[in-house]
Amino acid sequence: GAVVSQHPSWVICKSGTSVKIECRSLDFQATTMFWYRQFPKQSLMLMATSNEGSKATYEQGVEKDKFLINHASLTLSTLTVTSAHPEDSSFYICSASLAGDSYNEQFFGPGTRLTVL
Amino acid sequence: AQKITQTQPGMFVQEKEAVTLDCTYDTSDPSYGLFWYKQPSSGEMIFLIYQGSYDQQNATEGRYSLNFQKARKSANLVISASQLGDSAMYFCAMREHNYGGSQGNLIFGKGTKLSVKP
Repeated sequence: GAVVSQHPSWVICKSGTSVKIECRSLDFQATTMFWYRQFPKQSLMLMATSNEGSKATYEQGVEKDKFLINHASLTLSTLTVTSAHPEDSSFYICSASLAGDSYNEQFFGPGTRLTVL
Repeated sequence: AQKITQTQPGMFVQEKEAVTLDCTYDTSDPSYGLFWYKQPSSGEMIFLIYQGSYDQQNATEGRYSLNFQKARKSANLVISASQLGDSAMYFCAMREHNYGGSQGNLIFGKGTKLSVKP
């Protein structure tokens, strides 16, 4: 089956530092990857849609200069939280869709728990 | 207006019994897909079942079935023969139509926490 990995699975950082989260599709090519954020006891909220080789599309209210997304290849997208603050502490989940798949199923990574001190 | 509504914040079910988790949706798009995901405490999102808006029959996957009532815009998840391992958050999600080859994003409901009692 289609597998998506995320690294790291958890990270603790100091306020003001930057953190990079990787999302990889291990056994398939993904033209599109999605980045979600989930606060405790809440639903997943889409942050941005990342298409290989082009700029990411950010949802309203998400600062593109703070959450940098790079989708350099068909198997890798990265999310960098720049100058992280405690309010950025959350569970970040990526998902990927199979290239050319009309079914459009999204395969989710295991998530990254970010804690900003 | 919310696109996906899950009215049950929490549900309890006795082991081996069936349970229905409610989901209603709102869209004017004739082409859409409905998904259910399970999220255990570990955080991973586990795909359970999919229903396309043009599918004539209700989707089934093992112990999971989707009660799709298009006119009512509801897509309830039915779990039969509940197991202790079914205890988790369950999210209903919708994807509206696919724009020119790019993949439409998922819109999630707020989720229902299911607890299975032994």
